[in-house]
Amino acid sequence: GQNIDQPTEMTATEGAIVQINCTYQTSGFNGLFWYQQHAGEAPTFLSYNVLDGLEEKGRFSSFLSRSKGYSYLLLKELQMKDSASYLCAVRDLQSWGKLQFGAGTQVVVTP
Amino acid sequence: DGGITQSPKYLFRKEGQNVTLSCEQNLNHDAMYWYRQDPGQGLRLIYYSQIVNDFQKGDIAEGYSVSREKKESFPLTVTSAQKNPTAFYLCASSMGLAGETQYFGPGTRLLVL
Repeated sequence: GQNIDQPTEMTATEGAIVQINCTYQTSGFNGLFWYQQHAGEAPTFLSYNVLDGLEEKGRFSSFLSRSKGYSYLLLKELQMKDSASYLCAVRDLQSWGKLQFGAGTQVVVTP
Repeated sequence: DGGITQSPKYLFRKEGQNVTLSCEQNLNHDAMYWYRQDPGQGLRLIYYSQIVNDFQKGDIAEGYSVSREKKESFPLTVTSAQKNPTAFYLCASSMGLAGETQYFGPGTRLLVL
């Protein structure tokens, strides 16, 4: 099975940087996804990491360390529209195609 | 435009009633999935399908049923056996087998009267 842990809520100021951590335990790691979900809406894909290192996409970056079972999503130059829940999801080689989701981190951006 | 559609946006169920949630995609994806989302919990997989006429139980399949008669469609029926059906239901699809990103529909919120 998999255990995925991420903080419940984080608050940051507009223009600042926030780092959302995700730790996981899995028997056959095969990729980690980050999704953004605004209240009452569908999750939208942000990033995918399968190898160690940093993936950068504009204001958002995602980092993975497989040996540590650890990932983070970095949100830079925060905007009010970034207020949302951020979901970490892990895929296991022993569970074809199936993703195990964390409970999500609610990010609140304040003026 | 390509995408995933779900209907209805809101659905009300009476005691003892079966209800069906629609999910359609025109992305030409082979794999489709149904998730349930409850407050404070991660998405939980109900059923998934890799190909037409084939589907597998996920982690919380009890009280639910699905069919996959067409590539584009993967309806979910919430049966009267599901005692706690109130939740946000999300349908997703991916191009094919493991390794592909899943894309989500807008969701259906099911409420019990």
